Amino acid sequence: EVQLLDSGGDLVQPGESLRLSCAASGFPFDSYAMHWVRQTPGKGLEWVAGISSRGDSTYYADSVKGRFTISRDSLRRTVFLQMSSLRGEDTALYYCARGYYGSGKVFDYWGQGSLVTVSS
Amino acid sequence: DIQMTQSPSALSASVGDRVTITCRASRSIRDWVAWYQQKVGKAPEVLIYKASSLVDGAPARFAGSGFGTEFTLTISSLQPDDFATYYCQQYDNSSPYSFGQGTKLEI
Repeated sequence: EVQLLDSGGDLVQPGESLRLSCAASGFPFDSYAMHWVRQTPGKGLEWVAGISSRGDSTYYADSVKGRFTISRDSLRRTVFLQMSSLRGEDTALYYCARGYYGSGKVFDYWGQGSLVTVSS
Repeated sequence: DIQMTQSPSALSASVGDRVTITCRASRSIRDWVAWYQQKVGKAPEVLIYKASSLVDGAPARFAGSGFGTEFTLTISSLQPDDFATYYCQQYDNSSPYSFGQGTKLEI
């Protein structure tokens, strides 16, 4: 059974950093692109970042480019989202998602979400 | 970047009704569109990709259509389990992926 377990969400102050993790199981991890998607009540769903199956290509939304870094560890079967210079508008529920359809650009499995709150 | 404008934002319907949700892209994206269903407290689930391809396991009452800038998701006969929020997503290579604002389908 495919499972994605998100973790690392927390309450942080503006300007601080945080790292999210997504532990994957139940599928050949190295064969799939992985993504982070966030959701807020006001702005709905927003794709944040993606990484290719081999980890050699990464992609970012303009809103996080230069502040967030996506990476993956094949031995630990884990995807990470390193977030720095956090802002209030980064407050959201962050989902890890597996890319499958559309050459890895459409998400077939999602984690349960990890809540990040940026507030002083 | 490509914007996806989804309408309506909310829709009231009854079991057995046929409903249609529309997404309009700010420029042509061929058929690079997916549709998701999200229930309260749960992650989204994909229903449709490449505008009209039903994913394995999705009920056949869901159908997608469109090309270029106009896309629709149609539910042919609403079932109680279908009351949820629906999102479109574009995944054209020329732009970061983006979602529509969502359509809340209520009884």
